[in-house]
Amino acid sequence: DSGVTQTPKHLITATGQRVTLRCSPRSGDLSVYWYQQSLDQGLQFLIQYYNGEERAKGNILERFSAQQFPDLHSELNLSSLELGDSALYFCASSPGGTGSGNQPQHFGDGTRLSIL
Amino acid sequence: GESVGLHLPTLSVQEGDNSIINCAYSNSASDYFIWYKQESGKGPQFIIDIRSNMDKRQGQRVTVLLNKTVKHLSLQIAATQPGDSAVYFCADSPYGQNFVFGPGTRLSVLP
Repeated sequence: DSGVTQTPKHLITATGQRVTLRCSPRSGDLSVYWYQQSLDQGLQFLIQYYNGEERAKGNILERFSAQQFPDLHSELNLSSLELGDSALYFCASSPGGTGSGNQPQHFGDGTRLSIL
Repeated sequence: GESVGLHLPTLSVQEGDNSIINCAYSNSASDYFIWYKQESGKGPQFIIDIRSNMDKRQGQRVTVLLNKTVKHLSLQIAATQPGDSAVYFCADSPYGQNFVFGPGTRLSVLP
């Protein structure tokens, strides 16, 4: 058990809809990262938050947004969903701070999003 | 852009044999490297990491080797067991920034 909790485990919805994925980081971790994993693209970094503020952005679409709350949990919002958004979405956490790329990230078990 | 890749997408080994999973990285500024194991239906699980000031690091049944000259990383698993069957990812961190993950190698352990 990594200590990172993601809900829901599975989500099925239709094109054009909006969903929210939730992540609780490991106790004590201030950084939260979101990744998308699809069959043909592997793990793609989307966005990082550190202590409530956006720290880094990766290949995140404009239709997607995220935030980190004062209790450090994070939500990833996906809107105007398309068939191609079907994927596994992972959250990871690390202690964070300066040089956060030099620390292991610990992953949750993901949310499987299926767009019908 | 920068990329981290794995030489082989699949690897099959006999139970009890040693496994070697290879990885190439392209950014000479990368100073931190990490290996993850992902089992079906689970998230990536941290295995071992290594910093660029080291050539070798050992864990429990695993060893990571780093060759900065040729920008190559490998993960060695000793006495491979059925429970080692999974997809293995390497990732590097250039300039201490966020990880770049490789596409993964699927390890199958044969009885």
